[in-house]
Amino acid sequence: EIVMTQSPVTLSVSPGERATLSCRASQRVFSSLAWYQQKLGQAPRLLIYGASTRATGIPARFSGSGSGTEFTLTISSLQSEDFAVYSCQQYDNWPYTFGQGTKLEI
Amino acid sequence: QVQLQESGPGLVKPSETLSLTCTVSGGSISGYYWTWIRQPPGKGLEWIGNIYYRGTTNYSPSLETRVTMSVDTSKNQFSLKLSSVTAADTAVYYCARRGLSGTYFIDWGQGALVTVSS
Repeated sequence: EIVMTQSPVTLSVSPGERATLSCRASQRVFSSLAWYQQKLGQAPRLLIYGASTRATGIPARFSGSGSGTEFTLTISSLQSEDFAVYSCQQYDNWPYTFGQGTKLEI
Repeated sequence: QVQLQESGPGLVKPSETLSLTCTVSGGSISGYYWTWIRQPPGKGLEWIGNIYYRGTTNYSPSLETRVTMSVDTSKNQFSLKLSSVTAADTAVYYCARRGLSGTYFIDWGQGALVTVSS
């Protein structure tokens, strides 16, 4: 099973600033990497798939990069609605696994 | 974008079987893979398994001895059964639709909290 490790666990950023979140896979997953946003009490929302492709309706301030084992989610100019938990997920290898999440807080 | 809604008992006794149904609206269940994912309180997401609209399944190895998924295309529903539950199975259970180009999850239900307790 591929283990996904996210860092940091918590990231404190001010509105308007840039946030950079990291995700590392224990084995190569090529570009089979997705990012999700989850707000308290809500279901996850797909942001990025294929490591860098924004899902439908996702603002351009969200961008993904990386391949192999190292991935990054960047949120430029944070808005108040962006403060949430972000999780990465690999889908190159079954079983499909998620990271434990990074909490983005003000 | 389709809408998904989980339904089923919110409380299950230890050693019994957890049963949930996901109803898909705003689109057909045909042509897609459908998924169950769970999230224990305060923890990360765990993929349980996928089912194709024709009934083909694949399950997480950690759960496969206890999991059964089924699909009813006439009702636009798919279901999850998890047997011999323990307190460790307490979680919010989500149903979701898989993406067309890979096993990422595009559309999600709101989630159903299932508590295992006597």
